[in-house]
Amino acid sequence: TAGITQAPTSQILAAGRSMTLRCTQDMRHNAMYWYRQDLGLGLRLIHYSNTAGTTGKGEVPDGYSVSRANTDDFPLTLASAVPSQTSVYFCASSDGTGVNEQFFGPGTRLTVL
Amino acid sequence: GQNIDQPTEMTATEGAIVQINCTYQTSGFNGLFWYQQHAGEAPTFLSYNVLDGLEEKGRFSSFLSRSKGYSYLLLKELQMKDSASYLCAVMDSNYQLIWGAGTKLIIKP
Repeated sequence: TAGITQAPTSQILAAGRSMTLRCTQDMRHNAMYWYRQDLGLGLRLIHYSNTAGTTGKGEVPDGYSVSRANTDDFPLTLASAVPSQTSVYFCASSDGTGVNEQFFGPGTRLTVL
Repeated sequence: GQNIDQPTEMTATEGAIVQINCTYQTSGFNGLFWYQQHAGEAPTFLSYNVLDGLEEKGRFSSFLSRSKGYSYLLLKELQMKDSASYLCAVMDSNYQLIWGAGTKLIIKP
């Protein structure tokens, strides 16, 4: 079982360009999340989706958009990248029951120049 | 505001015991999580506490006091592979996780 996959692994992007970070899970989890992780800061929630067809804004949503057309995929789009979006991006999912722990993908390291 | 505090870095010796503390102030409480994150890798789930007391899982234990807004992660019989960052996170009233910045644990032989 793959769990959660993310693509690309890393990317260097020119400021002003757009980019979509891909995230796919095969655990049939209802909830999915996008976080960014920056040195010295905790993981910060960008957007989330409690179930297919719905999305919500997290702590730092500006400059990012998401969609959730089906259960498995949750892409994150940067419409016009800025250097402050340089970060490591993690996608996560949870099944919404019991302990409801989140399972994380391997991350995408994005550098915006 | 919501806040999770944990030490930035700790050092311990192989074979010893280390306690990593976490204090929190959040809007609501629906459980506290500990995750382990090795450098360059994704966080992985270690433990969950929702009631006061100690949860033991092998070499790792986690304690919670809701009245004090306090938790700790106890690691026994430290191994070199335990060198990692340990992340404390609280699930708030909206069922979203609020994360601490993590504690980098360095294990020395």
